[in-house]
Amino acid sequence: GAVVSQHPSWVICKSGTSVKIECRSLDFQATTMFWYRQFPKQSLMLMATSNEGSKATYEQGVEKDKFLINHASLTLSTLTVTSAHPEDSSFYICSARDSSQENEKLFFGSGTQLSVL
Amino acid sequence: KQEVTQIPAALSVPEGENLVLNCSFTDSAIYNLQWFRQDPGKGLTSLLLIQSSQREQTSGRLNASLDKSSGRSTLYIAASQPGDSATYLCAVETSGSRLTFGEGTQLTVNP
Repeated sequence: GAVVSQHPSWVICKSGTSVKIECRSLDFQATTMFWYRQFPKQSLMLMATSNEGSKATYEQGVEKDKFLINHASLTLSTLTVTSAHPEDSSFYICSARDSSQENEKLFFGSGTQLSVL
Repeated sequence: KQEVTQIPAALSVPEGENLVLNCSFTDSAIYNLQWFRQDPGKGLTSLLLIQSSQREQTSGRLNASLDKSSGRSTLYIAASQPGDSATYLCAVETSGSRLTFGEGTQLTVNP
């Protein structure tokens, strides 16, 4: 099946630094990718929809200036957490669907565990 | 606003037992419903996807049903094994490829 690669798997950083997370579709093209966040013991919540070649669409309550999304190619979307703070510590995961396939299921990356000290 | 609820929140069973996980959703206008498995600190593995026009899907020991009109789905696991221990997530897809997830059922299968 389709593979979505996400890096890094985990990152620990100091408060105030920025962290970039990459999401790649390895064997298919994705015009749209999705970024989710999961806090401990909670469900995944959609943060934003990443659109190739245009601006991302953010869910209500998600700060677009804090969570920068770039989708410069059909196989790569990046999420940058700017000036990270401890409350941003969470599990971030991306997903994508093969743009050429109708009714294809969404595939997920392996996730990134972010810990901000 | 779509809401997805999963019952039970946690389940512990002895190896070999058959079990059922439940999922309900509030808005029946869905494209599909998907069951995922999540291991601790890991990503999601898609188990079964049921299109809105379908009533069930099967894969190995797993069977998922969908009753869209009543807003319910069940995941049946036959002959459970310790390796089945994980969190099982139900998610419904609505317009714009948006997935709304339940909070999951944490399953433990004891040898």
